[in-house]
Amino acid sequence: ETGVTQTPRHLVMGMTNKKSLKCEQHLGHNAMYWYKQSAKKPLELMFVYSLEERVENNSVPSRFSPECPNSSHLFLHLHTLQPEDSALYLCASSQSSSSGGVETQYFGPGTRLLVL
Amino acid sequence: QKEVEQDPGPLSVPEGAIGSLNCTYSNSAFQYFMWYRQYSRKGPELLMYTYSSGNKEDGRFTAQVDKSSKYISLFIRDSQPSDSATYLCAPDYKLSFGAGTTVTVRA
Repeated sequence: ETGVTQTPRHLVMGMTNKKSLKCEQHLGHNAMYWYKQSAKKPLELMFVYSLEERVENNSVPSRFSPECPNSSHLFLHLHTLQPEDSALYLCASSQSSSSGGVETQYFGPGTRLLVL
Repeated sequence: QKEVEQDPGPLSVPEGAIGSLNCTYSNSAFQYFMWYRQYSRKGPELLMYTYSSGNKEDGRFTAQVDKSSKYISLFIRDSQPSDSATYLCAPDYKLSFGAGTTVTVRA
């Protein structure tokens, strides 16, 4: 496996279900991200794990819960979602430096989520 | 005012012609300006980026940044069917993305 992988690629769930999305990066990066991509809307940054710190977008509902057990793996736990949460969920990774400068993000193919 | 505005298109470009995409942004503090390309059923991939104002050329692609007007552009020369994709501008490469412009290059 190379780059950033995500599983599952497609997921259909009911509003009362609990599911998890998985992301794995094989690039040796130290930062990982979750984004939400809805049709005709900008990418929305949900969570960042960078240099072992977690940064989150305060507008993300608590029904989304991230977990980052190590620098290569990232999970997004989902529970009691709403139909408006249906979207493409993208994982990305980058090599973050405390000295700043541009970081190239590498995205996975995404998980297409449909909430019924 | 939205932080990044990008016309979602679709933009139809004849094969061999020049495709032109643009974005406007509101935050004058942005310094790195990225363009991502996203094919259907794939995640975005970095196409190119520029630092501050000016032009940058990479093969058939040229990125322009005008910080005084907060306007960024991407030009695709000699457009090919393989250029058919959604192009996202990202004036603040982690936090602020445009909604993406869908480009279709027709033969």
